[in-house]
Amino acid sequence: QKEVEQNSGPLSVPEGAIASLNCTYSDRGSQSFFWYRQYSGKSPELIMFIYSNGDKEDGRFTAQLNKASQYVSLLIRDSQPSDSATYLCAAHVANDYKLSFGAGTTVTVRA
Amino acid sequence: EAQVTQNPRYLITVTGKKLTVTCSQNMNHEYMSWYRQDPGLGLRQIYYSMNVEVTDKGDVPEGYKVSRKEKRNFPLILESPSPNQTSLYFCASSPGSGPGEQYFGPGTRLTVT
Repeated sequence: QKEVEQNSGPLSVPEGAIASLNCTYSDRGSQSFFWYRQYSGKSPELIMFIYSNGDKEDGRFTAQLNKASQYVSLLIRDSQPSDSATYLCAAHVANDYKLSFGAGTTVTVRA
Repeated sequence: EAQVTQNPRYLITVTGKKLTVTCSQNMNHEYMSWYRQDPGLGLRQIYYSMNVEVTDKGDVPEGYKVSRKEKRNFPLILESPSPNQTSLYFCASSPGSGPGEQYFGPGTRLTVT
């Protein structure tokens, strides 16, 4: 079982809609969670991180964390064509030096 | 400009010919790491370094070596490359001694024939 699993996608949403991306993790020692966006042919860039249960909002992005259920999600509101990318979920176990990534979910926003 | 640089960006080589991919960051970050990215497998960590002269294996270290003699540089060495090391490689760095919020280099696409 992979440490971090993401819904495989691809996910296609119309412009202006909400894109919902899910991620589950297996290690209960995971404390910090990160969402990276990767455009085709480019390197990943950090867009959100969350450490505490609940919601964290940053502009059109909302990260949600539920440690009891071991899932993290990312909502993209008012999706734009520029949001078309692969989104990578990553988990960090406290006192570890490694970051575990999921395989990514590709999002396509239809104009 | 704060950045992580990698060289070369593209490399085609033959089996067994030693190569080095350089990585440098100008942000005075403690932590640096190397990943490979393969279709369907996502990013997998090869090696990481918590500080100068301190390195450790990630999830897929076989066939790779690293060194951290200076804080800014973290080269990846393939002593005897094989075709299964054909991949897209990323170097990353983060402030602090852990992976935290990582900043990635532009990537190096390596093909081993």
